[in-house]
Amino acid sequence: KQEVTQIPAALSVPEGENLVLNCSFTDSAIYNLQWFRQDPGKGLTSLLLIQSSQREQTSGRLNASLDKSSGRSTLYIAASQPGDSATYLCAASGGSNYKLTFGKGTLLTVNP
Amino acid sequence: NAGVTQTPKFQVLKTGQSMTLQCAQDMNHNSMYWYRQDPGMGLRLIYYSASEGTTDKGEVPNGYNVSRLNKREFSLRLESAAPSQTSVYFCASSEGYGTEAFFGQGTRLTVV
Repeated sequence: KQEVTQIPAALSVPEGENLVLNCSFTDSAIYNLQWFRQDPGKGLTSLLLIQSSQREQTSGRLNASLDKSSGRSTLYIAASQPGDSATYLCAASGGSNYKLTFGKGTLLTVNP
Repeated sequence: NAGVTQTPKFQVLKTGQSMTLQCAQDMNHNSMYWYRQDPGMGLRLIYYSASEGTTDKGEVPNGYNVSRLNKREFSLRLESAAPSQTSVYFCASSEGYGTEAFFGQGTRLTVV
């Protein structure tokens, strides 16, 4: 059974700092890995999708990497802003039905 | 461009009452999903539909039923609500298995 872990559970940084969020998964036979953002009381917003054949994806100040062999993905946020404050979730897609298995998220606070 | 729309946004039920959560997507996606999100448990898959006319159980299907009414709509029914079903329910859709998933804004359900 796939298990997805996100470390740290919470992170507080000053504005302008570059930061890395970590995601690890136990079953390397994934189809893809997706990063989401969730604001309080809101739904999930898709940030980046990395296919299993890819090593990284970039969107603006966000860069996500994938290392299947070690069961790890990282989300790099450059020059963080207060508006980046949210919970970040990673989800691995795999298995016979490509089911998304979610981590419990990292709560990010960027202080002005 | 609405994406995935869920109704209602909030609901309070008494134990034993029934209700249907509605979900519709306007992206012409084949696959649709229902998740629940609970503190400390993360997001867990309840039911999914790979394509119109098919539905399958996810991780936590007990106490729920679903209907894939057409390609756009996927409803979740609670026949006899229990306090353990107090949760935030999210509907999601994707073009197909293993492709990028898009989420609705959620339904916050309280069963008293």
